[in-house]
Amino acid sequence: GDSVTQMEGPVTLSEEAFLTINCTYTATGYPSLFWYVQYPGEGLQLLLKATKADDKGSNKGFEATYRKETTSFHLEKGSVQVSDSAVYFCALTGRTGNQFYFGTGTSLTVIP
Amino acid sequence: GAGVSQSPSNKVTEKGKDVELRCDPISGHTALYWYRQSLGQGLEFLIYFQGNSAPDKSGLPSDRFSAERTGGSVSTLTIQRTQQEDSAVYLCASSYNRPSGGETQYFGPGTRLLVL
Repeated sequence: GDSVTQMEGPVTLSEEAFLTINCTYTATGYPSLFWYVQYPGEGLQLLLKATKADDKGSNKGFEATYRKETTSFHLEKGSVQVSDSAVYFCALTGRTGNQFYFGTGTSLTVIP
Repeated sequence: GAGVSQSPSNKVTEKGKDVELRCDPISGHTALYWYRQSLGQGLEFLIYFQGNSAPDKSGLPSDRFSAERTGGSVSTLTIQRTQQEDSAVYLCASSYNRPSGGETQYFGPGTRLLVL
């Protein structure tokens, strides 16, 4: 069945470091791919998304490219800030559009 | 405007009791979703409503779990004969339209359920 596998955390980085959080997926057909973020004490919110192959989603300096050839949707940011400390979830909408699959989440802590 | 709201925010119950969790989606959103987030685990998809109907109920973990949505708005997730393994945060989300095509989901703050 459809699934998402993302890099396990926790991840600790210094401010201004480069961030990559890996996400790979298994799906039939052409799913839509998402990154959601959960800041401390807040609810989940969409960070970015891509709905077809080779699309790049971007927001708040974060980027992820939908790579069908490698079934990946890795999250990257060139220079992280303390305010980026959060838990990041990779997700996909299944082929039927009736099911959703989230990864286990990657906790990121950015230290000054 | 108002976001997705859930009640109660916290619920402590005894094993074997029934509980009802409520979700109020964003006004005008036709799609509504329930998830479960257990400690150290990712989000587990439970069920999705389009309007008042649920096209796929296979995500519900057992027949003790049921959900309904009335009037295309409020939804209730009911857990009968609760077990300790049901302890988790139950999240509700809604989106403007059906999920195919990458609709953004807007999440509520969750209900934290503890079964003693």
